[in-house]
Amino acid sequence: DAKTTQPPSMDCAEGRAANLPCNHSTISGNEYVYWYRQIHSQGPQYIIHGLKNNETNEMASLIITEDRKSSTLILPHATLRDTAVYYCIVFYGGATNKLIFGTGTLLAVQP
Amino acid sequence: GAVVSQHPSRVICKSGTSVKIECRSLDFQATTMFWYRQFPKKSLMLMATSNEGSKATYEQGVEKDKFLINHASLTLSTLTVTSAHPEDSSFYICSAFRADTQYFGPGTRLTVL
Repeated sequence: DAKTTQPPSMDCAEGRAANLPCNHSTISGNEYVYWYRQIHSQGPQYIIHGLKNNETNEMASLIITEDRKSSTLILPHATLRDTAVYYCIVFYGGATNKLIFGTGTLLAVQP
Repeated sequence: GAVVSQHPSRVICKSGTSVKIECRSLDFQATTMFWYRQFPKKSLMLMATSNEGSKATYEQGVEKDKFLINHASLTLSTLTVTSAHPEDSSFYICSAFRADTQYFGPGTRLTVL
């Protein structure tokens, strides 16, 4: 699977938008971009995924650049409960394919 | 979304004993499940792929005789840590695919004394 690069940590003020970047310059044409987050001592939680179009759901928005070499996860109104490690993963998909985690970004939402 | 459960949520055992961790997909069937391990302040590390009705496939460096995996039904996979030692203390997490998304269990905290 292609590797991703994320900043190790970021801060965000409560109520403001949190924009988490991810670089995946070696992504191949049929690899998706998935985002998960892990709150301390819990299992990872699925957030959103996309192939090449921007995506939005009730949790977040995913913006993928036209060349697909980078993406940004946007939490529109961050709350203290959004403090977590956020993982960006590129992945072919399919039930038998492995999801490999990198080091992620620790997002700290400040009151 | 899909729900994956694990049992127990935490377990403490003595060195040399074996511990079984269950992973269940609650509202869907999963022919493939995955087991991960996570040490403090580290990322998740994939240990093995659990295949219903067949042998598990292990990642390089993971001892298959120490971490026994059984996937006897479409909704249940078990991980047994045999002859556990303090270095096996970790956070164990399972996952399963539904449609095109992988869903994770809440994790099991294993402490070996």
